[in-house]
Amino acid sequence: QKEVEQNSGPLSVPEGAIASLNCTYSDRGSQSFFWYRQYSGKSPELIMFIYSNGDKEDGRFTAQLNKASQYVSLLIRDSQPSDSATYLCAVNREGDTGRRALTFGSGTRLQVQP
Amino acid sequence: SAVISQKPSRDICQRGTSLTIQCQVDSQVTMMFWYRQQPGQSLTLIATANQGSEATYESGFVIDKFPISRPNLTFSTLTVSNMSPEDSSIYLCSVALSGNTIYFGEGSWLTVV
Repeated sequence: QKEVEQNSGPLSVPEGAIASLNCTYSDRGSQSFFWYRQYSGKSPELIMFIYSNGDKEDGRFTAQLNKASQYVSLLIRDSQPSDSATYLCAVNREGDTGRRALTFGSGTRLQVQP
Repeated sequence: SAVISQKPSRDICQRGTSLTIQCQVDSQVTMMFWYRQQPGQSLTLIATANQGSEATYESGFVIDKFPISRPNLTFSTLTVSNMSPEDSSIYLCSVALSGNTIYFGEGSWLTVV
């Protein structure tokens, strides 16, 4: 089992719809969770992070964390063609809060259709 | 956030040679990380570089192949030694800022021929 799992996609949604991206992780000691967006040929760009169970909203983005189910998701409201990218889920590993190194999922490719 | 600059941004190298990648941050940071992203793959941590101590390497990465320097709180280098085509990747510098936010540089695209 991979430490951080994501569906590779592509996930295709129409413009204006809600895109839902999902991520599961295996390490119950994981403490912080990050979502990055990566456009082709570019480096990852931090969208948001979450520590606590529940929802965290930032503009059109909402991160949802359920530690009991070891599940984190990212919702993108009013999806735009410019949101088309690969979305990477990353987890701060158990015991490594002092190091802040991340373990990444393989990413989900999102396509927003005009 | 922080401005994280990497040099070179791209390079094409001959097999058997070595290349040093530089990472410069516009503020002092304790923790810097080097990641590799092979074509079509996600990011894999190579090592953690803290100023004043030896870099800590992840499983599968060794100092002889990927020597790292961290001379001060704003700068680090990663050398890819004795390169082979399998080293063709994006190499990314990352820093951890206050509040546990983690940012990446623009990346160094390396092709080994």
